[in-house]
Amino acid sequence: GENVEQHPSTLSVQEGDSAVIKCTYSDSASNYFPWYKQELGKRPQLIIDIRSNVGEKKDQRIAVTLNKTAKHFSLHITETQPEDSAVYFCAAPPANDYKLSFGAGTTVTVRA
Amino acid sequence: NAGVMQNPRHLVRRRGQEARLRCSPMKGHSHVYWYRQLPEEGLKFMVYLQKENIIDESGMPKERFSAEFPKEGPSILRIQQVVRGDSAAYFCASSPRTVQDNEQFFGPGTRLTVL
Repeated sequence: GENVEQHPSTLSVQEGDSAVIKCTYSDSASNYFPWYKQELGKRPQLIIDIRSNVGEKKDQRIAVTLNKTAKHFSLHITETQPEDSAVYFCAAPPANDYKLSFGAGTTVTVRA
Repeated sequence: NAGVMQNPRHLVRRRGQEARLRCSPMKGHSHVYWYRQLPEEGLKFMVYLQKENIIDESGMPKERFSAEFPKEGPSILRIQQVVRGDSAAYFCASSPRTVQDNEQFFGPGTRLTVL
């Protein structure tokens, strides 16, 4: 199966600074990498995803990069705002599979 | 277009009782996944269903847990004879197709508390 590791487990940043979360995966044939944001007591919400045919994808202040050779992908949040405070999860399905293996999550706190 | 719906949102059961959790996928989605989230942990896959079929139940405990997705009505996750360790948030997600890179959209979850 797929093994996804996520770092750091907690991240505190000053408002306006950038936040970076990194994940590694084990199955070299995986080709889909979503990121979810979960606010306290709420559902995980898909915020961005990337497929293996591209190395980077950006959506306003959020970007994801993928390095297939090294088997890692990262979430970048620029110009952080208090509403970015949440737990962020990376995920990946094993090759030829559909169930998502999630990282353990990163609790991001944006200090005003 | 309503999103994934789950009910109840909160469920309290005493040890030994049964818990039934319901999930209605997004309109147009015929694939349902159940995940469990223990407090302050990530989500763990339990089971994947299509209408009237269990496709993959490799993440679901073999005893006390069962799931179904009938032709009509919501998907149901059933936990018999609940124990304190079953206390968790149970999320379902749905997707419109079965290819690997399908986007999964989550419901609001059912928070089960076993007394």
